[in-house]
Amino acid sequence: EIVMTQSPATLSVSPGERATLSCRASESLSSNLAWYQQKPGQAPGLLIYGASTRATGIPARFSGSESGTEFTLTISSLQSEDFAVYHCQQYHKWPYTFGQGTKLEIK
Amino acid sequence: QVQLQESGPGLVKPSETLSLTCSVSGDSISSHYWSWIRQPPGKGLEWIGHIFYDGSTNYNPSLKSRVTLSVDTSKNQFSLKLSSVTAADTAVYYCGGNMWGSPFDVWGQGTVITVSS
Repeated sequence: EIVMTQSPATLSVSPGERATLSCRASESLSSNLAWYQQKPGQAPGLLIYGASTRATGIPARFSGSESGTEFTLTISSLQSEDFAVYHCQQYHKWPYTFGQGTKLEIK
Repeated sequence: QVQLQESGPGLVKPSETLSLTCSVSGDSISSHYWSWIRQPPGKGLEWIGHIFYDGSTNYNPSLKSRVTLSVDTSKNQFSLKLSSVTAADTAVYYCGGNMWGSPFDVWGQGTVITVSS
């Protein structure tokens, strides 16, 4: 199976600053990479798909990029509602696999 | 807009079979591939498997020997059975949907399953 590795496990950032979250795949995904946001007590919600395409209704401050098997989610100016857990997921091959998540917390 | 709702027992005894159902509303059950995904306390997400409306399935090899997925198109529902459960199967179980070659664009709210005697 494809192993997804997210870093860091926890990221402390001040509101208004930029956050950069990383996700590494154990093999090529042909851009079949998604990012989800999960708030406490809620299901994950789709943010980014195709490594860099924002899902419907997602603000422009969220952006995704890729370089080989390395993927990055950038939040340009953190708002209070952005503090949550972020998961990456590959949908290139079965079984679909997720990273362990990055908790974005207020500094 | 597609909506999903899980239903299940909440508490399951060790060695028994966990049964969950997900009800699909707002669209045809033929619109998506339907998955079960779980999240143990404090851990990441794990894909269990998916089923299409025609009954075709794919399972995570790590759970394949214990998992059975089924679909009832007349009720717009799909179901999960996980046999021989242990404490390691304690998790929030989500149902979710995705189109072919796409990520999960619809999720249920999740249901907490505890395995304990």
